[in-house]
Amino acid sequence: DIVMTQSPDSLAVSLGERATISCKSSQSVLYSSNNKNYLAWYQQKPRQPPKLLIYWASTRESGVPDRFRGSGSGTDFTLTISSLQAEDVAVYYCQQYYRTPQTFGQGTKLEIK
Amino acid sequence: EVELVQSGTVVKKPGESLRIACTGSGYRFTGYWIGWVRQMPGKGLEWMGIIYPGDSDTRYNPSFEGQVTISADKSISTAYLHWKSLNASDSAMYYCARQSAGDDVGDCFSIWGQGTLVTVSS
Repeated sequence: DIVMTQSPDSLAVSLGERATISCKSSQSVLYSSNNKNYLAWYQQKPRQPPKLLIYWASTRESGVPDRFRGSGSGTDFTLTISSLQAEDVAVYYCQQYYRTPQTFGQGTKLEIK
Repeated sequence: EVELVQSGTVVKKPGESLRIACTGSGYRFTGYWIGWVRQMPGKGLEWMGIIYPGDSDTRYNPSFEGQVTISADKSISTAYLHWKSLNASDSAMYYCARQSAGDDVGDCFSIWGQGTLVTVSS
């Protein structure tokens, strides 16, 4: 299985400041034939299902604010929230869908400082 | 509106069987993979497996294979997750989720059900 490792496990950021979450995969999730990284980011708020934020490592899902940005390639990826808002408090997960079983990172809990 | 609606909260005893459901609407049910994701209390997301309702092609996470069965009834646009014999460690929230773009198994989940809470306790 491809192991996804996120860092940090938790993060406290002041409102309006930048939040950065890292995700590393144990194998590359870049498919050479289409040059796409099979990497997604989800946001999960308490008592809600996860919500897709980013797919193909850097494409924002429709309706996701542009303060959310995904970057990276191969085995190293980053989710950046450029200016933290109160409604961004949540747990964030990365997921590889390059190979089954698809796997998630352990999650990063984002709080307000 | 594209939507997945899951069956309600369940309380079962160890050894009992269970089937939970996920009904899709607002799209062509047979044309998209649907997966199941487990979330144990206070823990992260675990990919259990996925089914393509169009032909019932099913892929399991080896960690769950043999423990659960994933199926689908395309006539009523419903996917299922089934246990023959529950144990306490199956207590969790279970989400169904639809992949984003059609018949490629290599895709992320863009539509999620609301979750089904399963509690197994004697």
